Amino acid sequence: NAGVTQTPKFQVLKTGQSMTLQCAQDMNHNSMYWYRQDPGMGLRLIYYSASEGTTDKGEVPNGYNVSRLNKREFSLRLESAAPSQTSVYFCASSDLGVLSTEAFFGQGTRLTVV
Amino acid sequence: AQSVTQPDIHITVSEGASLELRCNYSYGATPYLFWYVQSPGQGLQLLLKYFSGDTLVQGIKGFEAEFKRSQSSFNLRKPSVHWSDAAEYFCAVGARDYGGSQGNLIFGKGTKLSVKP
Repeated sequence: NAGVTQTPKFQVLKTGQSMTLQCAQDMNHNSMYWYRQDPGMGLRLIYYSASEGTTDKGEVPNGYNVSRLNKREFSLRLESAAPSQTSVYFCASSDLGVLSTEAFFGQGTRLTVV
Repeated sequence: AQSVTQPDIHITVSEGASLELRCNYSYGATPYLFWYVQSPGQGLQLLLKYFSGDTLVQGIKGFEAEFKRSQSSFNLRKPSVHWSDAAEYFCAVGARDYGGSQGNLIFGKGTKLSVKP
């Protein structure tokens, strides 16, 4: 029972490089989310996908793009990484949305941009 | 705008002692309130939630929280802390700024709990 799986777990990028963070859930959830966690800041929503085929911006979307590839997978892309994007990234999923049903989180991707 | 304040950045308690983690929120209507726990190197796990009804909510791992509307608080408590409770705890309020009708979570900055043997 994997739940929410994120890859990679760790990544170091040089400024200007691009990369895609992968997220997959096996719970048949409709909604998926990407958050970033910075020290002393809690978690902030980057993008979300309320259902397959839809994506929308969250609180801090600048510098990121997302793709809801299918119901299972929701990827986050950094086109040109900046040091300000050094953070821990969490993917989450929920069946009917975070206000109605529990959100399940992946273990995170620790990204360092140098 | 909705916000969540966790006044304590770091708390240390002795194993077997009681615990109370504070959370204050700012929200116009009846809030959806949550407590999540994050163990080192792990994702977040839901401890408990309050939507309506009984203001004392029971959660997993022996935790409970009490919603007090007059104080805009949702404090987390545990009568006897175990060493395995050492983690970071996040209070969150549900909002509809994002996420469409499904809403989004606004997190506090977290309280790190250390447990002394």
